[in-house]
Amino acid sequence: EIVLTQSPATLSLSPGERATLSCRASQSVSGSLAWYQQKPGQAPRLLIYDASNRATGIPARFSGSGSGTDFTLTIGSLEPEDFAVYYCQQRSKWPVTFGPGTKVDI
Amino acid sequence: EVQLLESGGGLVQPGGSLRLSCAASGFTFSYYEMTWIRQAPGRGLEWVSYISGNGGATYYADSVKGRFTISRDNSKNTLYLQMNSLRADDTALYYCTKFLDGSGSIFADWGQGTLVTVSS
Repeated sequence: EIVLTQSPATLSLSPGERATLSCRASQSVSGSLAWYQQKPGQAPRLLIYDASNRATGIPARFSGSGSGTDFTLTIGSLEPEDFAVYYCQQRSKWPVTFGPGTKVDI
Repeated sequence: EVQLLESGGGLVQPGGSLRLSCAASGFTFSYYEMTWIRQAPGRGLEWVSYISGNGGATYYADSVKGRFTISRDNSKNTLYLQMNSLRADDTALYYCTKFLDGSGSIFADWGQGTLVTVSS
């Protein structure tokens, strides 16, 4: 199965700062990568799919880029509600797999 | 509005069984592939099982193959997960998920989850 690695494990930032999260795949997933946000006690929420497409209702400060094995989620200017755990997920090959997550905290 | 409401979780002894249900509303259930995804306490996300819209195709993670069975009743708009021979490492919050329209394996909608605890 395809293994996803996320870095850093924890990102400590302040509101207004820019966040850059990385996801690396053990083999090429082409552009078939999604990003999810999960807040404590809540289900994950789809943010980005197919590497760079924002899901419905997702603010423009969230952007995704990359292809092949290296992907980035960028949060342009952190809002207080953005402090959460972020997971990447590949759908290029079954079984679909998730990365271990990056926690963005204050 | 899409709603997915899981139920059926609880405390079960190792080797026991549980059946999870997911009641769906707000969309034409029979048109959509569905999956179960789980999250162990304090851990990441693990895909568990998939079922096609008509139930004719099913897939399982290796960790549950032979023990879990996914099914659906399109007349009741309900997804199921029968879990047998449960083990401690099956302890997790189990989410029912729906794919993004026109996509494969992009999890656009999630329920709130039902907690399964396997312990003696």
